[in-house]
Amino acid sequence: AQRVTQPEKLLSVFKGAPVELKCNYSYSGSPELFWYVQYSRQRLQLLLRHISRESIKGFTADLNKGETSFHLKKPFAQEEDSAMYYCALSGLSDSWGKLQFGAGTQVVVTP
Amino acid sequence: DAGVTQSPTHLIKTRGQQVTLRCSPISGHKSVSWYQQVLGQGPQFIFQYYEKEERGRGNFPDRFSARQFPNYSSELNVNALLLGDSALYLCASSVGQGVYTEAFFGQGTRLTVV
Repeated sequence: AQRVTQPEKLLSVFKGAPVELKCNYSYSGSPELFWYVQYSRQRLQLLLRHISRESIKGFTADLNKGETSFHLKKPFAQEEDSAMYYCALSGLSDSWGKLQFGAGTQVVVTP
Repeated sequence: DAGVTQSPTHLIKTRGQQVTLRCSPISGHKSVSWYQQVLGQGPQFIFQYYEKEERGRGNFPDRFSARQFPNYSSELNVNALLLGDSALYLCASSVGQGVYTEAFFGQGTRLTVV
């Protein structure tokens, strides 16, 4: 079965501290992994994806196929990072790019 | 460009009624997908349309249907509404289909069934 698990519903960190959001997945084929973010009163938007190998807003994510994980990390959290973060998966063999989302992690960065 | 636009923003319906939600994709985008987001959960895939044809369907009952028009806008219809259909319905558009095209989401339509 295809599944994305985000074990933390809420993550509270201090400004300047490192932050790591966990994401584990199960998928029988070759997955593409994404992180989406939703800031307060804004629409859901793509933060980064594995295939791009980019660092966006200081965030990075590494795909670990052995542990089936795609954790999101940032070394120094900023107040503007407070948002809802969703990990999502799509099958590379899918011709139509259906996204399977996790339940999300709310990040609160306090000064 | 206003991005993906959805209407209405909020809607209240009674059990058993029917509802139609609308989505206008970003200009030039030919693919539209629909997602249901129940409170406290991530979005769940309902449909994808590309070039006016259904290309994918999630695990939803036949009460849910959709279509895409020649201008690539889309409608999601839900018949015989249940209390459990109360959710935020998201529309996403992309240039093409497939995992390599980025999906851009609308603000959503909040449906409340009473």
